[in-house]
Amino acid sequence: SQLAEENSWALSVHEGESVTVNCSYKTSITALQWYRQKSGKGPAQLILIRSNEREKRNGRLRATLDTSSQSSSLSITATRCEDTAVYFCALDTNAYKVIFGKGTHLHVLP
Amino acid sequence: VTLLEQNPRWRLVPRGQAVNLRCILKNSQYPWMSWYQQDLQKQLQWLFTLRSPGDKEVKSLPGADYLATRVTDTELRLQVANMSQGRTLYCTCSADQLGGNYAEQFFGPGTRLTVL
Repeated sequence: SQLAEENSWALSVHEGESVTVNCSYKTSITALQWYRQKSGKGPAQLILIRSNEREKRNGRLRATLDTSSQSSSLSITATRCEDTAVYFCALDTNAYKVIFGKGTHLHVLP
Repeated sequence: VTLLEQNPRWRLVPRGQAVNLRCILKNSQYPWMSWYQQDLQKQLQWLFTLRSPGDKEVKSLPGADYLATRVTDTELRLQVANMSQGRTLYCTCSADQLGGNYAEQFFGPGTRLTVL
């Protein structure tokens, strides 16, 4: 079974709206990362939130981490068409590798 | 500024034939280099992390066999054999070892492989 899993396969919002992508995980982590992958490109890291942090912001992006429920969320405010992408959560573990979820396809409509 | 260059960017691979991929690091501040595969369903999976010239590792996964080599401080190679389904291979780099060191990881543009 998946160690990291986003709770939606796809989401659609209209430009200007806010959206939240959720992730649950099943192993001990040192940090959780959020990545964005646009069509035809490699993934790009958006936010890294350490296991002792509860919230991290990067411009219009806000990530939260709840280690007791083993869950994280990524919120995007004032969405733009260029936010259309696949969003992945990824787990930093002590196993010297990063474990990715299956991704959430976000479509931002004009 | 592009940190990683991958070539080829795409390749048609006859069934049963092996293919060799290259990744060139443009900034020596990020010497930890890794390979990931992304399947047709977009699932990303870590394959290898190689730090030092001369390091080699092999791995067999459903759909392909892999041999990774760190050739120099700036070049990483991957041989893909016995591929039965298409996939994209990504090279990454980071300043420190992955997992537990909070290192930011940068992905290259990828090499897309299609089985003929």
